[in-house]
Amino acid sequence: EAQVTQNPRYLITVTGKKLTVTCSQNMNHEYMSWYRQDPGLGLRQIYYSMNVEVTDKGDVPEGYKVSRKEKRNFPLILESPSPNQTSLYFCASSFIGGILRELFFGEGSRLTVL
Amino acid sequence: GENVEQHPSTLSVQEGDSAVIKCTYSDSASNYFPWYKQELGKRPQLIIDIRSNVGEKKDQRIAVTLNKTAKHFSLHITETQPEDSAVYFCAATSELGGGADGLTFGKGTHLIIQP
Repeated sequence: EAQVTQNPRYLITVTGKKLTVTCSQNMNHEYMSWYRQDPGLGLRQIYYSMNVEVTDKGDVPEGYKVSRKEKRNFPLILESPSPNQTSLYFCASSFIGGILRELFFGEGSRLTVL
Repeated sequence: GENVEQHPSTLSVQEGDSAVIKCTYSDSASNYFPWYKQELGKRPQLIIDIRSNVGEKKDQRIAVTLNKTAKHFSLHITETQPEDSAVYFCAATSELGGGADGLTFGKGTHLIIQP
């Protein structure tokens, strides 16, 4: 089954405790991206990756890191989480090849930073 | 970068009536405009998209129109049903360079279908 898998789905942590949200896709997509969703603000892009070892900042990258060592995986790293990073996070992937196609989203990871 | 404005933020319609959600964008280079639907507690999913070489696209009860001159595009849902209740997001991007900048989303419209 084609899917984007995120873990953990729910996490409560404390300020400053490093955490990683994993994302994996099994569709051989080149493009992967992280979004955060906050009430009234919609979906805002954090980082994206066009292919292995190619990453770039989105609209709200502060406080986050990513890596793309393998095509299928695109983890989101919060080195020192703060309460303003409490949010619902979505990973997404897509084929590109010069033309955008459907973004496939993971189920979301709800993060609470105390 | 691109900026997408979406209106209204909440829309309540009677079942069977039509619903229209409007978006404007700022970057004249944008040429790809998808719409995503997010049901409560679920992930966003693509429902329809349009590219700048066409002015309108239909898929059963949903349609999207695009006015490139005015830089706005709209989602039309006819004969609304309870399962249409959801948050709808518009988005825009330029496909130059393979869409490297990714999609810029509007803030979403909460569509409520009243029985």
